[in-house]
Amino acid sequence: KAGVTQTPRYLIKTRGQQVTLSCSPISGHRSVSWYQQTPGQGLQFLFEYFSETQRNKGNFPGRFSGRQFSNSRSEMNVSTLELGDSALYLCASRPTQIRGGETQYFGPGTRLLVL
Amino acid sequence: DAKTTQPPSMDCAEGRAANLPCNHSTISGNEYVYWYRQIHSQGPQYIIHGLKNNETNEMASLIITEDRKSSTLILPHATLRDTAVYYCIVRPLVGNYQLIWGAGTKLIIKP
Repeated sequence: KAGVTQTPRYLIKTRGQQVTLSCSPISGHRSVSWYQQTPGQGLQFLFEYFSETQRNKGNFPGRFSGRQFSNSRSEMNVSTLELGDSALYLCASRPTQIRGGETQYFGPGTRLLVL
Repeated sequence: DAKTTQPPSMDCAEGRAANLPCNHSTISGNEYVYWYRQIHSQGPQYIIHGLKNNETNEMASLIITEDRKSSTLILPHATLRDTAVYYCIVRPLVGNYQLIWGAGTKLIIKP
């Protein structure tokens, strides 16, 4: 079974631009979570989507948004990019079955550099 | 804030067992202990998780103390490819599935 895939893998943007990152979960997984990883703050939760609805949200400004499609694929968008948004953005999926549905499996990440 | 405490770094000789400790003294009865590792800037890799009983899979063993306030991840025969940052995380059985990450333990396997 293929793992979580994320595109693009690397991205360079300039301040003020916006960016959209994509995540395809493991086949059959219905929940997608997004995390940001920076050297200073470590891994931080952004939000989780299930059945096209945001179920949980971390402490990030409204410039960070996401959505999920009916096929469970998800995108996250960052508007008005700032230098501090440079990070590794990670997507994780889980099955959401009652038993064994809790484990999240991560993709390789998208490395975003804001200049 | 993360609910776990781990040593910032550890060394282990190749071929020996690597034992990584984790303290989670405030864990509640409905929380799992999860272990992930991250090899240099790749996505975190799931290793193992447990609730009360010790667990073993093809990658590692997880030993949870009887009072559940601490656990140890055991890599039985460490290889150079096991060099990574290892994260111990607690999260509830149901409800909020977000993972709250600490700084983890940087494990270096030496030849």
